Amino acid sequence: QKEVEQNSGPLSVPEGAIASLNCTYSDRGSQSFFWYRQYSGKSPELIMFIYSNGDKEDGRFTAQLNKASQYVSLLIRDSQPSDSATYLCAVKGGATNKLIFGTGTLLAVQP
Amino acid sequence: DGGITQSPKYLFRKEGQNVTLSCEQNLNHDAMYWYRQDPGQGLRLIYYSQIVNDFQKGDIAEGYSVSREKKESFPLTVTSAQKNPTAFYLCASSMGGAGYQPVMNTEAFFGQGTRLTVV
Repeated sequence: QKEVEQNSGPLSVPEGAIASLNCTYSDRGSQSFFWYRQYSGKSPELIMFIYSNGDKEDGRFTAQLNKASQYVSLLIRDSQPSDSATYLCAVKGGATNKLIFGTGTLLAVQP
Repeated sequence: DGGITQSPKYLFRKEGQNVTLSCEQNLNHDAMYWYRQDPGQGLRLIYYSQIVNDFQKGDIAEGYSVSREKKESFPLTVTSAQKNPTAFYLCASSMGGAGYQPVMNTEAFFGQGTRLTVV
C-alpha cells in the first residue's frame, strides 16, 4: 500500500464546474496535510494546508479532512482553464515526520 | 528576499560521473528535503534532514548522498551508482524539524528545480 494515494486522472471538468480531487493516506499518526499545484515543467506551489478535521475554505478552494477515514480532499469551485495542472497531495507527521507526496492528479478544465 | 534556491537549473552528467546539486535557503527552516520527479510521476523522497548534521534516507536513497553541515544548505550528490539519474530534482524546506510543535506553519516551499540529464 502506498503511503499517499491519489487517482492519476486526468480529471476533466467544464469551465465553471466544481473539480473534486481526492487523497487517502496510510499513516494514522499524520498531522499535517497539504495540497500543491504543479504546472508542467515547474516546481510545486502550495495552495492549501489543513490540520484539523472538517473544512477549510480559501477563495475558490476548499480542503476537507477526515482523519478517521484517513481521507483529504480539495474542491475547486468555478473552475477556470488556468486551474489546469497536476494537483499533489502531501502528508507530514507520524512516526518519522517526513513529507510524503502522492503521485498527483492531472486536472483539465475545458473552456 | 527569503526563499530557496537550487542550482544549476540544467545539468548534464556523463556516464560514471558524480555530480552535486546545490540547495540553499534563507528562511531559517530546520527541515530540508530532496525529491526526484520522473515525467508524468509524483515526487519521490530521496533524503530529508530535520536538523543540522543529521539526515535520513527516503524511499529511493540508493545512488545518492547528502550532507547537512549548515542549516542553510543541503547539497545532493548523484553518484555513479545511480544507474538512471535523468530526472527533475526538487529541493524543499519547511519549519517543523525533529520535535517541532505545534503542527501549524510546517508547509514546505520548493526551489525551482534542477533538470539532470545523462549524456
